[in-house]
Amino acid sequence: GENVEQHPSTLSVQEGDSAVIKCTYSDSASNYFPWYKQELGKRPQLIIDIRSNVGEKKDQRIAVTLNKTAKHFSLHITETQPEDSAVYFCAASTVNDMRFGAGTRLTVKP
Amino acid sequence: DSGVTQTPKHLITATGQRVTLRCSPRSGDLSVYWYQQSLDQGLQFLIQYYNGEERAKGNILERFSAQQFPDLHSELNLSSLELGDSALYFCASRRLDSNYGYTFGSGTRLTVV
Repeated sequence: GENVEQHPSTLSVQEGDSAVIKCTYSDSASNYFPWYKQELGKRPQLIIDIRSNVGEKKDQRIAVTLNKTAKHFSLHITETQPEDSAVYFCAASTVNDMRFGAGTRLTVKP
Repeated sequence: DSGVTQTPKHLITATGQRVTLRCSPRSGDLSVYWYQQSLDQGLQFLIQYYNGEERAKGNILERFSAQQFPDLHSELNLSSLELGDSALYFCASRRLDSNYGYTFGSGTRLTVV
């Protein structure tokens, strides 16, 4: 089955700096890669996703890149704000299955 | 509101007891997934149902079981509860006719005392 590794497990940045979270996956059949943000005690919420036929996608301050050959994808958050503080999960998915990384706790210090 | 409904929101019970968590998927979604999230931990996949049939199993204990009913709602049954079963239990649903992300419910927080 799919195995998703996520790094780093914790990340602390100053407000206004950029944050990068990286994931690798093992199943070459995976073709959809969503990212979720989870605030304390709340449900994970989809913030951005990318499909395997695309190398990069951007939505305001958030961007995701995908390297299918190397089987890795990354989340980039620019101009970080305190409200970006949360746990971020990557996932790799086929139509039938989705597996999550272990999560990254991002802290943005004012 | 995500469209995925989980009940109850909170549950406190004693060790050795049995509880049932309920999930109603988003309208049109045939697939239901259950995840366990212990304090400060990641999302541990438990089990998946698709249109009433078990599709995939993760790290689900033998004390736990689940089913999906004809109306597509799902129940997760946890028995012989232990203190370590205290966690947030999330249900998520998804269409399987195309590859999109999950929609998560708000979760059930189970506390075993």
